[in-house]
Amino acid sequence: ETGVTQSPTHLIKTRGQQVTLRCSSQSGHNTVSWYQQALGQGPQFIFQYYREEENGRGNFPPRFSGLQFPNYSSELNVNALELDDSALYLCASTAGWSTDTQYFGPGTRLTVL
Amino acid sequence: AQTVTQSQPEMSVQEAETVTLSCTYDTSESNYYLFWYKQPPSRQMILVIRQEAYKQQNATENRFSVNFQKAAKSFSLKISDSQLGDTAMYFCAFMKLREAGGTSYGKLTFGQGTILTVHP
Repeated sequence: ETGVTQSPTHLIKTRGQQVTLRCSSQSGHNTVSWYQQALGQGPQFIFQYYREEENGRGNFPPRFSGLQFPNYSSELNVNALELDDSALYLCASTAGWSTDTQYFGPGTRLTVL
Repeated sequence: AQTVTQSQPEMSVQEAETVTLSCTYDTSESNYYLFWYKQPPSRQMILVIRQEAYKQQNATENRFSVNFQKAAKSFSLKISDSQLGDTAMYFCAFMKLREAGGTSYGKLTFGQGTILTVHP
């Protein structure tokens, strides 16, 4: 069984640029959630996608957007990058959209200069 | 809104000894899940143990067990026979249970984490 994968592992952007992060969910999982983890902090929920639709959103501005594809992989897009967007971005997948345990990928480390 | 508090920023333990990590939470919900996740320096968030709030029996997974006190809203993790590989950041997390026909979704609310170091 393939686990959750994310790409790229890390990247560096400058303020004002746009970035796309990618996530492939675990086999058989149709729900993907994205989290932002600042250094030394616990992850914060960004949003969740279930069957290609946004299924819930945390306290993040609209410049954080996402997509889910028919194969249940997902993208996180961040526009107009700010210095505070520097963080580890975690993707988690689950077989159900609410009650199942979430399994995490290794994360993408984003640095905004 | 739910909050999760981990009051121990750092803990250390000798190899083969037992350590307990604390977690308290605040919620008005009656049906929910609680989790402990482990995040080693490799950054991968790994599930350690899960507890359903409607179950009175405390969950156990090999050397890991929890003490779930629903009335006190307390959820501590006990690690027995600590191993060097247990060195990691440990996060306590809360998830509301989906109700039949409800619109809730699988949002995990995490605590701030506890750094656990196991010494040889």
